[in-house]
Amino acid sequence: DIQMTQSPSSLSASVGDRVTITCRASQSISSYLNWYQQKPGKAPKLLIYAASSLQSGVPSRFSGSGSGTDFTLTISSLQPEDFATYYCQQSYSTLIFTFGPGTKVDIK
Amino acid sequence: QVQLVESGGGLVKPGGSLRLSCAASGFTFSDYYMSWIRQAPGKGLEWVSYISSSGSSMYYADSVKGRFTISRDNAKNSLYLQMNSLRAEDTAVYYCARGRYYGSGIHENWFDPWGQGTLVTVSA
Repeated sequence: DIQMTQSPSSLSASVGDRVTITCRASQSISSYLNWYQQKPGKAPKLLIYAASSLQSGVPSRFSGSGSGTDFTLTISSLQPEDFATYYCQQSYSTLIFTFGPGTKVDIK
Repeated sequence: QVQLVESGGGLVKPGGSLRLSCAASGFTFSDYYMSWIRQAPGKGLEWVSYISSSGSSMYYADSVKGRFTISRDNAKNSLYLQMNSLRAEDTAVYYCARGRYYGSGIHENWFDPWGQGTLVTVSA
């Protein structure tokens, strides 16, 4: 099975900061990597699909990059509503869909 | 608008059974793969099961294989998860989520949108 890791597991940042979260796959997954945002008590929301495609309605300050095994989610200028937990998910495997353990972004 | 609404969660004893439902609206349900994803209290996301648009193919995480059964009724725009032999470690919020369009690429398996979730608690 493909394993996903994320770093850091948590970070503290200020409004306006540039934030980068890394996701790594245990084997190459091409560009089949998706990112979600989850706020406390809410369902996850799709942000980025296929590594770098912005889901409709998602602010342009979010961007994704990477291919193979290493991927990044970048928030160019952190906003108050961006404090949340972020998960990556691989869709290279067509039988089992693995999520990363999550990265919690909170206020410094 | 596209909406998914789960129901059927609750408290059940270890070894018991529960059936979750997910009512879909705002899109052509029969055109999409559907999935169940769970989240234990304070933990991350765990994919549980996936069913093809026609209902002919189903996939399961190893942790639930042989105990859970996913199904769908396209005439009723509904997704189900039959959970048997429940264990304490199955305690979680269970989300249904829309997967890929049946005509899209096999790797286009992102989940959007998600329902609000239903809590399943397995405890004596």
